[in-house]
Amino acid sequence: NAGVTQTPKFRVLKTGQSMTLLCAQDMNHEYMYWYRQDPGMGLRLIHYSVGEGTTAKGEVPDGYNVSRLKKQNFLLGLESAAPSQTSVYFCASSRADTDTQYFGPGTRLTVL
Amino acid sequence: QQQVKQSPQSLIVQKGGISIINCAYENTAFDYFPWYQQFPGKGPALLIAIRPDVSEKKEGRFTISFNKSAKQFSLHIMDSQPGDSATYFCAPLHPAGTASKLTFGTGTRLQVTL
Repeated sequence: NAGVTQTPKFRVLKTGQSMTLLCAQDMNHEYMYWYRQDPGMGLRLIHYSVGEGTTAKGEVPDGYNVSRLKKQNFLLGLESAAPSQTSVYFCASSRADTDTQYFGPGTRLTVL
Repeated sequence: QQQVKQSPQSLIVQKGGISIINCAYENTAFDYFPWYQQFPGKGPALLIAIRPDVSEKKEGRFTISFNKSAKQFSLHIMDSQPGDSATYFCAPLHPAGTASKLTFGTGTRLQVTL
């Protein structure tokens, strides 16, 4: 099992460009999450999904969109990147009947 | 609104010593109290967790102490080893609605020296 994988690992964008981060999990988990991690601020929840075709806003959703067309994939989109979105992005997944979240290795995004 | 306050921000402990990290929370609706461990370049991973119906849980060298009345819980690492050098996050969980919504503390960077 690969667990939770994220693509790409690194990316540099210019202000105003768009991109999509891909998260995939092979554990058949119902729930999936996107977080961002900034120095001194811990991890903050951007969006999450409780099942295929459903998404919901987390703590810091502005500037991001998500989609979950397949149970195993959760996509995070930035339509018009801003320097404030420079961060490390983590995807996580969990079963519906437990509270343990399993995290991917992260994507380091720099917006110039 | 900072619902979770974690201290200290960084910690240096000698090999074999005890590492103690504290977490204070405000939301009395939290009902699951985990600690996550994160190594550089990796995602966080669950280390140990406790439910509010017990005051202490021990797994090997790692112990959580929970004080419901004080709204605090702490992580104790006994016989700290260089391999324990990592960043530790408390991340209490709010059960409202669906999905497991963790609220992360700001993290404690632990360095265990030889």
